[in-house]
Amino acid sequence: NAGVMQNPRHLVRRRGQEARLRCSPMKGHSHVYWYRQLPEEGLKFMVYLQKENIIDESGMPKERFSAEFPKEGPSILRIQQVVRGDSAAYFCASSSLGLAGGQRDNEQFFGPGTRLTVL
Amino acid sequence: RKEVEQDPGPFNVPEGATVAFNCTYSNSASQSFFWYRQDCRKEPKLLMSVYSSGNEDGRFTAQLNRASQYISLLIRDSKLSDSATYLCVVKTAAGNKLTFGGGTRVLVKP
Repeated sequence: NAGVMQNPRHLVRRRGQEARLRCSPMKGHSHVYWYRQLPEEGLKFMVYLQKENIIDESGMPKERFSAEFPKEGPSILRIQQVVRGDSAAYFCASSSLGLAGGQRDNEQFFGPGTRLTVL
Repeated sequence: RKEVEQDPGPFNVPEGATVAFNCTYSNSASQSFFWYRQDCRKEPKLLMSVYSSGNEDGRFTAQLNRASQYISLLIRDSKLSDSATYLCVVKTAAGNKLTFGGGTRVLVKP
């Protein structure tokens, strides 16, 4: 039973380039969350998506960042024109149910993360 | 003020000893509470949910004090493998996002 999968695990970009991070949720999960962990800091929520819908993007920076979770395929977190401050670990999590579920159904399982380094 | 605050530590614990630490949260609308464990440069993993009446899972005991808005974790008979960063996590009823504390680092030494 594969867990949450993220790729690439490590990504190096130069300033001004684009970064695309992919997340495949656990089998049977239709809710995906993205979190960012800056060096020496805690995880911060970025965005919560269901298939083809953004449910909560209150943690997303206003510019350069976007996320999608299409009907088919993985969820994508896209960062345009990366800057050094974007260097961080980006974790994706998935759950089987969203707001309607009980606590156990809402448990979020995390992927191994993508470590983005901007040179 | 951070929404979820933790003592960063590190807590240096002799193997076999007991260690306890707290976390405080500022949002009184918080409804769900968790302890996650994060090993160096790896993903967080759920250690246990925290229920109002307090709960125990093996050597781990979690307590919730809603009046004072704090959560505690106690680890008995510490093992070397308990060395990790422990993340206090809360969620409000209104949304599904997790709010993480900065983590408490625990180092268990022989």
